[in-house]
Amino acid sequence: NAGVMQNPRHLVRRRGQEARLRCSPMKGHSHVYWYRQLPEEGLKFMVYLQKENIIDESGMPKERFSAEFPKEGPSILRIQQVVRGDSAAYFCASSPGLEGTEAFFGQGTRLTVV
Amino acid sequence: EDKVVQSPLSLVVHEGDTVTLNCSYEVTNFRSLLWYKQEKKAPTFLFMLTSSGIEKKSGRLSSILDKKELFSILNITATQTGDSAVYLCAVGAGGYNKLIFGAGTRLAVHP
Repeated sequence: NAGVMQNPRHLVRRRGQEARLRCSPMKGHSHVYWYRQLPEEGLKFMVYLQKENIIDESGMPKERFSAEFPKEGPSILRIQQVVRGDSAAYFCASSPGLEGTEAFFGQGTRLTVV
Repeated sequence: EDKVVQSPLSLVVHEGDTVTLNCSYEVTNFRSLLWYKQEKKAPTFLFMLTSSGIEKKSGRLSSILDKKELFSILNITATQTGDSAVYLCAVGAGGYNKLIFGAGTRLAVHP
């Protein structure tokens, strides 16, 4: 049973470009969470999705950031017109959604904006 | 505002020492407290605690939760260099697995 798969592992974008980060949850998991980790800081919640639904996007910036989890395929975190301050590690976690179960994290995508 | 505070922020010990990492929290609708170990990659799950006073153990690691005083500790006995990592405390709050993380404790174990 493969773990949470994120790709790419590293992504370099110039200011103003778009970044697309992908996350395939563990098999059987229908709940996906995205977190951002700035250098030397803890993880900050961004958005929680279930298949085809955004449940909680309270941690996601209102502009330039969007997320989706389609019926088929991975969850996508999209950052438009990236700026240097978007440079961070973006982690995806998945869970089966059952009460009392922990979330498992992917390896993360390290985004560098130059 | 929900918050999770870890202390110390960093710790340097020698192999064989015992360390205690602290995590205090203030959240609404507390569900669970989790400990993760992060070594330059994905956080790996260590423990999930939901009930006060019940110690969870895994080898040289153990953890306990105090829901009255709103804190948890993570103990590591007979530390090894492989224990060097950032230890993250996270609290699950609300109706799903949204986690609120502390800033982490960076542990360095020297030979």
